[in-house]
Formats: sequence, C-alpha cells, structure tokens
Amino acid sequence: EPEVTQTPSHQVTQMGQEVILHCVPISNHLYFYWYRQILGQKVEFLVSFYNNEISEKSEIFDDQFSVERPDGSNFTLKIRSTKLEDSAMYFCASSIQDRGGYEQYFGPGTRLTVT
Amino acid sequence: GNSVTQMEGPVTLSEEAFLTINCTYTATGYPSLFWYVQYPGEGLQLLLKATKADDKGSNKGFEATYRKETTSFHLEKGSVQVSDSAVYFCALSASSNTGKLIFGQGTTLQVKP
Repeated sequence: EPEVTQTPSHQVTQMGQEVILHCVPISNHLYFYWYRQILGQKVEFLVSFYNNEISEKSEIFDDQFSVERPDGSNFTLKIRSTKLEDSAMYFCASSIQDRGGYEQYFGPGTRLTVT
Repeated sequence: GNSVTQMEGPVTLSEEAFLTINCTYTATGYPSLFWYVQYPGEGLQLLLKATKADDKGSNKGFEATYRKETTSFHLEKGSVQVSDSAVYFCALSASSNTGKLIFGQGTTLQVKP
C-alpha cells in the first residue's frame, strides 16, 4: 500500500539554526500539508500546498517557515532560524483531493528538538 | 472559528468493555468529520469519516454518527481489544477551505487484558 514517508525521524538542532524536514507524499496525490504537534497538545495545521503554491497557511506559519516541492516527488518544510518553541512532532500529509471528505494520508512524523 | 473538542483522557478500559469517546465541534456550513488513530510510533491513520448529517462512519468495529443537531461525532465500539490501545483524534474539514483538518486534542485509550 502506498504511504507517505518522512525523514529524518528525529532531528536535533541548536536554536537559530536552519532545518529542513523532508517528506515524500503518495505519488498520485496533488494536495500536500504540514501539521505539527507540540508535546501534549493538539495537532495543528501549518500549511497546505497545491499546484506549486501555498493555498492556505495558519498564523503559526510565519516568515521563518517555507515549503517547497523541489523535484515533483519531495515536499519539504524549512524553518530558517529555529526557536525553542519550534520543538514538536511535524507531520506531512497528502491527499488526492481537498474537498468532499477525501482522506489525508499522514507520514510517521519527524520529531524536532531545538536546544 | 471552527474547532473540535474531545473528552479528556486517558481512558482505561478492560478488554471487551464498551467504548465511547465524545467529540463535539463548532463549524460554519457543513463540515466533513473524521476520526484518526495514532498507534505508538506511527503516524495518524484514518479510522472512519462522515461527510453529511446523519451519516454513520464505521471501520474495524468502530462507529460514529454525524449529529448536526447536537454538533457531535462520538466514537463508539462495542467490545475493545488490547490492540485498540492508541490515541484517537476527532477532526473536521470545513466545507469552504482548502481541506485543512482541525483536530481535537486527542484521547489516549489504554485497554488492559
């Protein structure tokens, strides 16, 4: 069964450093998402991406964040200058459609620890 | 704005007990409703969904009915197993947005043999 993959599974970085989280969505999917979950809190939407553009972003997704689909298979989330409060589990998801209750398929997550 | 509220956990049950995890939502329009499950060390998996009022989603013995009059989507299972131990997330996707999911805070279920 096709699945969304994410690398690395765990990333430790120092405050102020740049990190790039990698995701490979399911190959025929067209809609891509990033979510995050701070330990003990709810899963929060960060950004949705379609047709090489951001279609929606949350208040969390400020200028420090960016997304890219560099080569038609990967989907990356970059945090330019990490802060302690960016420590969280980051989930990538993809979907074949964005409406009508279509399922989003989630990756296993990348745990980001900022020290 | 749109939001989802779940009952707080953890919920601890004995095997074969009846499970209910409450979920209520606030949304404009006609959202789609979902239950996702997260097993230890894994990503979120769709458990079931309902896309309009009075629809019942079901999968693996779990059920939830979309109740517009009470804005609820409670998850139920008649007889839980140890293998059902996981974190359960209720979520909605509003009818007018880009498909983003809004999640509840998650409920941890622990089933003891």
